[in-house]
Amino acid sequence: EVQLVESGGGLVQPGASLKLSCVASGFTFSDYWMSWVRQTPGKTMEWIGDIKYDGSYTNYAPSLKNRFTISRDNAKSTLYLQMSNVRSEDTATYYCTRYGSYGVMDAWGQGASVTVSS
Amino acid sequence: DIVLTQSPALAVSLGQRATISCKTNQNVDYYGNSYMHWYQQKPGQQPKLLIYLASNLASGIPARFSGRGSGTDFTLTIDPVEADDTATYYCQQSRNLRTFGGGTKLELK
Repeated sequence: EVQLVESGGGLVQPGASLKLSCVASGFTFSDYWMSWVRQTPGKTMEWIGDIKYDGSYTNYAPSLKNRFTISRDNAKSTLYLQMSNVRSEDTATYYCTRYGSYGVMDAWGQGASVTVSS
Repeated sequence: DIVLTQSPALAVSLGQRATISCKTNQNVDYYGNSYMHWYQQKPGQQPKLLIYLASNLASGIPARFSGRGSGTDFTLTIDPVEADDTATYYCQQSRNLRTFGGGTKLELK
């Protein structure tokens, strides 16, 4: 069974940094592109970016590329999202997803909640 | 950016047909495929893939769900609607980076 389990969320102060992790199981992690998506409290879904199966290439949403960094460790079957200089508008649930063919998000984690507040 | 527009809510009676629309501001077709996908999200859960490439049913999804469309206009149809289908439905394009529609909340009359 494909499983994606996010961790690392919580309450963080504005301007701080935070790193989320997503541990994958049930499939060969190193064969798949992966991505991060967030959902605001108002339920807006926003794609953050993605990373190639070998970690050699990343794409980001233009509005986020300067503060967010996606990386992966295939030996640990783990995807990461490094968030820097966080703002209140980064408050959201963060999902990691697996890409199937054609950029389809065919598996989702349960999400990690991040709240940015002083 | 490719912007996807959905109606915010739809109310349908049990056993009837629900049609959810998604319109884009740019063509999402490319080499014979429409890069439009649909997800279902129930309260407190993560989204789940329903339809990919506009009209292909994802694994394990019942045939009550179907999708159609091309270019800039797409629809997701549920026929007949069951009680378990109350959820929010999102369209998403993968033609140019990735963007989502605002979601359509399906409720029962």
